[in-house]
Amino acid sequence: ETGVTQTPRHLVMGMTNKKSLKCEQHLGHNAMYWYKQSAKKPLELMFVYNFKEQTENNSVPSRFSPECPNSSHLFLHLHTLQPEDSALYLCASSLGGTYTDTQYFGPGTRLTVL
Amino acid sequence: AQKVTQAQTEISVVEKEDVTLDCVYETRDTTYYLFWYKQPPSGELVFLIRRNSFDEQNEISGRYSWNFQKSTSSFNFTITASQVVDSAVYFCALRPGNTGKLIFGQGTTLQVKP
Repeated sequence: ETGVTQTPRHLVMGMTNKKSLKCEQHLGHNAMYWYKQSAKKPLELMFVYNFKEQTENNSVPSRFSPECPNSSHLFLHLHTLQPEDSALYLCASSLGGTYTDTQYFGPGTRLTVL
Repeated sequence: AQKVTQAQTEISVVEKEDVTLDCVYETRDTTYYLFWYKQPPSGELVFLIRRNSFDEQNEISGRYSWNFQKSTSSFNFTITASQVVDSAVYFCALRPGNTGKLIFGQGTTLQVKP
């Protein structure tokens, strides 16, 4: 596979469930990102990892917990979500090391919280 | 404040018409980067172009062209001879020079009718 992949593509969960979103990049990049895209708001950056270290947390509620075990994989662990958390969650990667590089996005996970 | 404004929420054109998507940005940084992404119905954000704040040369890539004007803080995108496959949501984004954070506009939905 090439580029940035995300699984699952669609997820429906209840407010008491625990689930995880997975992102994998095949571009040899060192920086990875989580974004949230809601119907009514612009794309919002959630987290940034650079060489496996979290470098930005954009005031995201603790019910979202990211994990970056290596430069190719990024997870977003979800627990006790709210209906307003329903959105498209996009993962991106970039070369990393500096901030001059371009971010490449995956297809997203469409999350619905009941 | 750092902000991107895409005033056109939706645009509808007939195939072969030219169309311009507007983007106005705000930043106090002297070094920054501007991007355009395309989001087709599949959801994935597709990178189109990146410009840095020191390069005001306009760029043409096939039917796509971009006009960057620092004097008016604008980075407009023109599609010449539009095609149905150009139908998508287009996002303009700003990245300040010292951060990995991409600041997106609200997006413009372009519908190209046959």
